[in-house]
Amino acid sequence: GQQLNQSPQSMFIQEGEDVSMNCTSSSIFNTWLWYKQEPGEGPVLLIALYKAGELTSNGRLTAQFGITRKDSFLNISASIPSDVGIYFCAGQKNAGNMLTFGGGTRLMVKP
Amino acid sequence: NAGVTQTPKFQVLKTGQSMTLQCAQDMNHNSMYWYRQDPGMGLRLIYYSASEGTTDKGEVPNGYNVSRLNKREFSLRLESAAPSQTSVYFCASSETLTGGFSDTQYFGPGTRLTVL
Repeated sequence: GQQLNQSPQSMFIQEGEDVSMNCTSSSIFNTWLWYKQEPGEGPVLLIALYKAGELTSNGRLTAQFGITRKDSFLNISASIPSDVGIYFCAGQKNAGNMLTFGGGTRLMVKP
Repeated sequence: NAGVTQTPKFQVLKTGQSMTLQCAQDMNHNSMYWYRQDPGMGLRLIYYSASEGTTDKGEVPNGYNVSRLNKREFSLRLESAAPSQTSVYFCASSETLTGGFSDTQYFGPGTRLTVL
């Protein structure tokens, strides 16, 4: 069953605000991925993290691989309307293992 | 370079009907996957194919079969559709399953299936 807990489940924010979301697990993952899904589309990879403690940015997005390897965080700075979508975390325990996905955080941005 | 393509985009079936969902990738990837997405559940793996000629069950394989037709194509078949199979189905591919960046999965646009 699903092992990754994402929070919050949904967020409704004002354009320009910063956004934080996280993903936690009771077990260790050695790779963390963050995907964004827009309505009617498949998930698109935003950021991949491969080392505990790693902090990686992609434009206004920054993600961190938690030091315990049981969590990861995604921050979006200065949100804009096109940030709307569902953000999924995914973890991989070891090479060759399948991805485990979180339930998603639905982000809505008010112009 | 289309990436991962899926057909059809939408489908409505009656209980007991069969159908095949098609997936193709043009990235020369070795590994391919089928997921289903239900509200609040994230994505759950149905079947995957680590390389051409191999297929393995994922988390929720019951009621489905797959065929890795060649390196490019990976199809998902519902032999006797049930309302519980109403979902959005995503195909994905990755370069390999050996770890690190090469395991990164790229997703198709999805097939929205309703079983009445």
